[in-house]
Amino acid sequence: QKEVEQNSGPLSVPEGAIASLNCTYSDRGSQSFFWYRQYSGKSPELIMSIYSNGDKEDGRFTAQLNKASQYVSLLIRDSQPSDSATYLCAVNFSGGYNKLIFGAGTRLAVHP
Amino acid sequence: DTAVSQTPKYLVTQMGNDKSIKCEQNLGHDTMYWYKQDSKKFLKIMFSYNNKELIINETVPNRFSPKSPDKAHLNLHINSLELGDSAVYFCASSHPRAGRSSYNEQFFGPGTRLTVL
Repeated sequence: QKEVEQNSGPLSVPEGAIASLNCTYSDRGSQSFFWYRQYSGKSPELIMSIYSNGDKEDGRFTAQLNKASQYVSLLIRDSQPSDSATYLCAVNFSGGYNKLIFGAGTRLAVHP
Repeated sequence: DTAVSQTPKYLVTQMGNDKSIKCEQNLGHDTMYWYKQDSKKFLKIMFSYNNKELIINETVPNRFSPKSPDKAHLNLHINSLELGDSAVYFCASSHPRAGRSSYNEQFFGPGTRLTVL
């Protein structure tokens, strides 16, 4: 069973703090990893993609990938109330056909 | 605007009816998807088409039938609707990034909220 695991939260952080969101996956052959943000009642929005081990930074967001540990994380620096949303981790499992498996999502609440 | 669009946005219908949801993308992508997001917010792939060819067909009741008239359009027809079909259905599209099929950034439409009474 191919799985993507996330802590459902809610993860509550004060405004200006660093929010750390974590994700583990079961398929060691997975090649690509994505973080989506979903506001309540809206569609998932791609915010980060990462394909190689290490860190990838984009503005206030940093994605971290460790394929040996089958672990991917998202750091949000200087968290803002507008970052409050559900963050979905998605993994493109090996076996072809670009099938993304999504985690259940972590709900982030940034309080002023 | 370049985007993935879906119609209708809301769909309320009675059990046993047949309904369709339409999706269009003008991003020039060659792969399109249908996802179902249930009441617990779990997002799960249903189908995928690449250049009008069905390439992913998950364990979905055969009451659900996708159809892709061209690579910019993917429709979903649902026969004999059941209460459990109530969910939000998202269409998405993607194109291989940097020529790598596994670099699969998918972009989602606004969703169709289906309510079966």
